[in-house]
Amino acid sequence: KAGVTQTPRYLIKTRGQQVTLSCSPISGHRSVSWYQQTPGQGLQFLFEYFSETQRNKGNFPGRFSGRQFSNSRSEMNVSTLELGDSALYLCASSLILGRTNTEAFFGQGTRLTVV
Amino acid sequence: TQLLEQSPQFLSIQEGENLTVYCNSSSVFSSLQWYRQEPGEGPVLLVTVVTGGEVKKLKRLTFQFGDARKDSSLHITAAQPGDTGLYLCAGAGRSSGSARQLTFGSGTQLTVLP
Repeated sequence: KAGVTQTPRYLIKTRGQQVTLSCSPISGHRSVSWYQQTPGQGLQFLFEYFSETQRNKGNFPGRFSGRQFSNSRSEMNVSTLELGDSALYLCASSLILGRTNTEAFFGQGTRLTVV
Repeated sequence: TQLLEQSPQFLSIQEGENLTVYCNSSSVFSSLQWYRQEPGEGPVLLVTVVTGGEVKKLKRLTFQFGDARKDSSLHITAAQPGDTGLYLCAGAGRSSGSARQLTFGSGTQLTVLP
């Protein structure tokens, strides 16, 4: 069974530009979450999509957005990039274990560098 | 303020030694997961604990979920260089949050020297 696939693996962008990252979840998983990982803040939750709808959102500015397609693939977009947006962006594909439990499987991440 | 506090933050030990990593919170979680992450890669799920007091073993790794489901520990017996990595705990289903939003600890960077 294929794992979570994130593309591209590496990106270098200039301040002010926008970027789109892609995530293909594990087959059959309908929940996709995005996380930002930086040395200073660790792993922080961005948002989660389930059945093409954003269900939860973390404490990030509106420049960070996402969407999910009918095949559960997801994209996240960051507009007007800032130097502080440099990070490893991780996508997690989740298997819902009942009403309150989640088991998340992560992709390899996209390393975004803003210069 | 970190909702999940991990300790220690850094740990460097010799091959063959034992170690314990702690993950503590004032919040109750429905489940807790442990991950290991290599540099430049995504976290890899090691285990999920769900029931308060639950103990799970994965070869030389022993995971425990506290009775009140607020804390957890990871114990490694006879550590090997291949155990080197960043260990992360993550809670799901926090009382005031969504079940599908994981709250991560700050991580424990483990280095096992040969």
